[in-house]
Amino acid sequence: QKEVEQNSGPLSVPEGAIASLNCTYSDRVSQSFFWYRQYSGKSPELIMSIYSNGDKEDGRFTAQLNKASQYVSLLIRDSQPSDSATYLCAVNDRDDKIIFGKGTRLHILP
Amino acid sequence: DARVTQTPRHKVTEMGQEVTMRCQPILGHNTVFWYRQTMMQGLELLAYFRNRAPLDDSGMPKDRFSAEMPDATLATLKIQPSEPRDSAVYFCASAGTTDTQYFGPGTRLTVL
Repeated sequence: QKEVEQNSGPLSVPEGAIASLNCTYSDRVSQSFFWYRQYSGKSPELIMSIYSNGDKEDGRFTAQLNKASQYVSLLIRDSQPSDSATYLCAVNDRDDKIIFGKGTRLHILP
Repeated sequence: DARVTQTPRHKVTEMGQEVTMRCQPILGHNTVFWYRQTMMQGLELLAYFRNRAPLDDSGMPKDRFSAEMPDATLATLKIQPSEPRDSAVYFCASAGTTDTQYFGPGTRLTVL
């Protein structure tokens, strides 16, 4: 059973602080990793993709991948109230299907 | 402004009725996905198509669900007969040459 695991939260972070979201996956052959953001009542939207070990930065967002540990994370710097949402980790499997985690609810405290 | 469209946005129906949901992928995207999202199960892949051919529908209850792509601009998901446990938000997503999926706004289905 291929799985993508996330802490459901809620994760509460003060405005301006760094939010750290974590995800583990079970399929060692996975090559593509994604973070989607989903606001309440809305559809998921892609915010980051990462394919190689290490860090990838895009504005206030940094994705970190460690394939040896089967671990991917998302850091949000200078957290804003508008970052309050559910963050979905997604990973491709050996059949190239994308498997989504159940998401972590993030709440930024003003 | 290219986007995935879905109709209807909301559907309330009674148990046993047929439900058809429609999706128009982004023009030029050749891969279309159907997902179901509930609080308990999260986002589950039901089926997906590439170049209109069904590649995987293992996530779909075969006895009542069917998915088709009659042409490149239309994908349908049908439930017959519907049951209360089918109540969920159904998302369609499309992807082009990259593996980035673009989601539609979803159809919120309530089966009474």
